[in-house]
Amino acid sequence: EDQVTQSPEALRLQEGESSSLNCSYTVSGLRGLFWYRQDPGKGPEFLFTLYSAGEEKEKERLKATLTKKESFLHITAPKPEDSATYLCAVQAVGGANSKLTFGKGITLSVRP
Amino acid sequence: DAGVTQSPTHLIKTRGQHVTLRCSPISGHKSVSWYQQVLGQGPQFIFQYYEKEERGRGNFPDRFSARQFPNYSSELNVNALLLGDSALYLCASSLGSGGDQPQHFGDGTRLSIL
Repeated sequence: EDQVTQSPEALRLQEGESSSLNCSYTVSGLRGLFWYRQDPGKGPEFLFTLYSAGEEKEKERLKATLTKKESFLHITAPKPEDSATYLCAVQAVGGANSKLTFGKGITLSVRP
Repeated sequence: DAGVTQSPTHLIKTRGQHVTLRCSPISGHKSVSWYQQVLGQGPQFIFQYYEKEERGRGNFPDRFSARQFPNYSSELNVNALLLGDSALYLCASSLGSGGDQPQHFGDGTRLSIL
C-alpha cells in the first residue's frame, strides 16, 4: 500500500528564515510526486511534479527535490504570504487511473 | 480561464439523508477525480472518471457513487449519510487519465452532517 509521511506536522518561521519540509514515501513504483499548497477554506493549489530521483524544480522562493525515498520542499527567505498547508502526494505506476495518495500536510506559519 | 468549479460550497444534512455534489472541470479536461478531506488530514481518493467511465475507486463503501456526463462534468452521490461523512469533498480535473498531467482542484463542498 502506498504511504506518504510528512514532517514536521507544523513549522513556525520568522520572515526570512529559510527551512525545508520533508515528505517520505513508500510506493510500489513511482509515477510522480506532487506538491500542493492549500490555504484555509480552499482547495489544494498545484505547485510541482517530480518524476525521477535527482530532479529539482523551482518557483519563486520554493524549490522541490526528489530522492528514491523522499522529497524536500525548500523555502528560501519566506514571507508571511507563504503561510499555508503544504501537501505532498504520490502517484504509482500501473493501473488505468491517476489516484493520488496524500500525506497529512505540513502547516507553515511565517511571522513578519 | 475558469478553474474547477464545485457546487454547492456548503451543505448541511442530517443522518440518513442523501446528497449530490457537482463538479465542472477545467475546459478541455476529460478526467475528473473526487477526494474526501477530513479536518487535519490529507485528501483521500474516492473515484476517478475518464470519458464517462470509472477508472478507479478508493476504499469507500457502496453508499458512495459517482458519474460523469457527456460534457465531462461530474456528480458525487452519497446515500444514508453518517456523521463520519462530514468533510470537505474535493473535485480535481486533468487532461488525461494517466499521471502525465497534474490534477487541478476546486475549492470543494463543505458537507456537515448533524
